[in-house]
Amino acid sequence: EAGVTQFPSHSVIEKGQTVTLRCDPISGHDNLYWYRRVMGKEIKFLLHFVKESKQDESGMPNNRFLAERTGGTYSTLKVQPAELEDSGVYFCASSTHRTDTQYFGPGTRLTVL
Amino acid sequence: RKEVEQDPGPFNVPEGATVAFNCTYSNSASQSFFWYRQDCRKEPKLLMSVYSSGNEDGRFTAQLNRASQYISLLIRDSKLSDSATYLCVVFSGGYNKLIFGAGTRLAVHP
Repeated sequence: EAGVTQFPSHSVIEKGQTVTLRCDPISGHDNLYWYRRVMGKEIKFLLHFVKESKQDESGMPNNRFLAERTGGTYSTLKVQPAELEDSGVYFCASSTHRTDTQYFGPGTRLTVL
Repeated sequence: RKEVEQDPGPFNVPEGATVAFNCTYSNSASQSFFWYRQDCRKEPKLLMSVYSSGNEDGRFTAQLNRASQYISLLIRDSKLSDSATYLCVVFSGGYNKLIFGAGTRLAVHP
C-alpha cells in the first residue's frame, strides 16, 4: 500500500512569490493533517481536514496560507506571498480515524530567499 | 512554557549501552502519547505508543506517569542504527492534533 506522498520534495522561491504544496494521503484515510518544522523549532500543527472539511485550522500562521482538500482526496497548501520566515519543512500526515496513528509523508522542504 | 519538553541532547553512547530519554507535558487532559523516531531529513515515524501500564517492544520500553505528566523511553543494547532524533509526541484529543517535543538526538558510536 502506498504511503503518504508529497510534492515537491524541495522548493526554492523568492520572497513575494507563490508556492503550492501537494499532499496525497493514504487511500481511504479521511483525516489529513498539515504540520511544519521551521529551523531549530519543534514540529507544529497547522490544520486538520476530515474529508473535505476543515476541522481545525488554529495552527495556520496567517492569511497568507490557504489549504484546500477538494473532493476529500489530496490536499494543497498555498503560501501567497511567501515570506522569509515561511522557510521550513512542511509535513502532511493522514489517519483513518482522528484518534488513530498518523502516518507522515516525506515532507516538502521550502526555502524562501 | 512549551507543551512538550525534552532534553535536546545529544546523547553520545557506545554500542551496547542502555540510554533513557525523558519528556514532560503540560496539558493534563492529553489523551495519547507516543515516541516517534526521525532520521536526518526524513519524516517522523511512529516508534511506539506509550501506556500507563508500560509497554515493551524488543529493546525499547516506554512508560507513562500521568500523575507526574512524564513519559520515558528506554533503549537497551543500543545499535548504530538507533542513531536518530527521538520525538516525544502527545495527542491532544480535544484539539485533534499531535503536539511534538523538539526531540532528543541520539548518536550511537562503535
